Amino acid sequence: GQSLEQPSEVTAVEGAIVQINCTYQTSGFYGLSWYQQHDGGAPTFLSYNALDGLEETGRFSSFLSRSDSYGYLLLQELQMKDSASYFCAVFFLSSGSARQLTFGSGTQLTVLP
Amino acid sequence: DAGVTQSPTHLIKTRGQQVTLRCSPKSGHDTVSWYQQALGQGPQFIFQYYEEEERQRGNFPDRFSGHQFPNYSSELNVNALLLGDSALYLCASSLGQGQGNTIYFGEGSWLTVV
Repeated sequence: GQSLEQPSEVTAVEGAIVQINCTYQTSGFYGLSWYQQHDGGAPTFLSYNALDGLEETGRFSSFLSRSDSYGYLLLQELQMKDSASYFCAVFFLSSGSARQLTFGSGTQLTVLP
Repeated sequence: DAGVTQSPTHLIKTRGQQVTLRCSPKSGHDTVSWYQQALGQGPQFIFQYYEEEERQRGNFPDRFSGHQFPNYSSELNVNALLLGDSALYLCASSLGQGQGNTIYFGEGSWLTVV
């Protein structure tokens, strides 16, 4: 099966930088995705890493090390609106040619003024 | 270009009843996946529909069933509702299997079982 581990809660202040780590165990690994979800809302796609290295999109960056089965999401210049749950999700080959997305349990980020 | 749309947004059902949730995929998408998200948890994969057939299934009982129509829209049916079925039900769409960065989620349907 698949398993993902990420911290349950992270707190930081406005303007700071925060890193949310994710370790995973899966076979048939294709890539690691990150989603943001505000209370009561839809998961919103943030980033996807299929290859090792850092992907940067504005204030958000995501890193993947396939050999370590590890990734992280880096949020810079934190804003109050960044307070939300952040999920890492592995995209993997589940059976035959079928691919699937499996989520971690999420990290609740609280940004303080 | 409409994204993934789901209905209803909220509903309350009594234990033992049946419920049907609906999803219209993003324009151009032909694959629909359903997820259950309990409060404080990550989304859990229920099943995926492509070409009107169930292609993959997660660890959910047979009380959970679905359907995909020729226009790619989909329904999730849950029979004999239990209190533990109370959750946010999310629909995600993609073109084929998609890639990790081309899967789009709807706003979800909040189901409360009392």
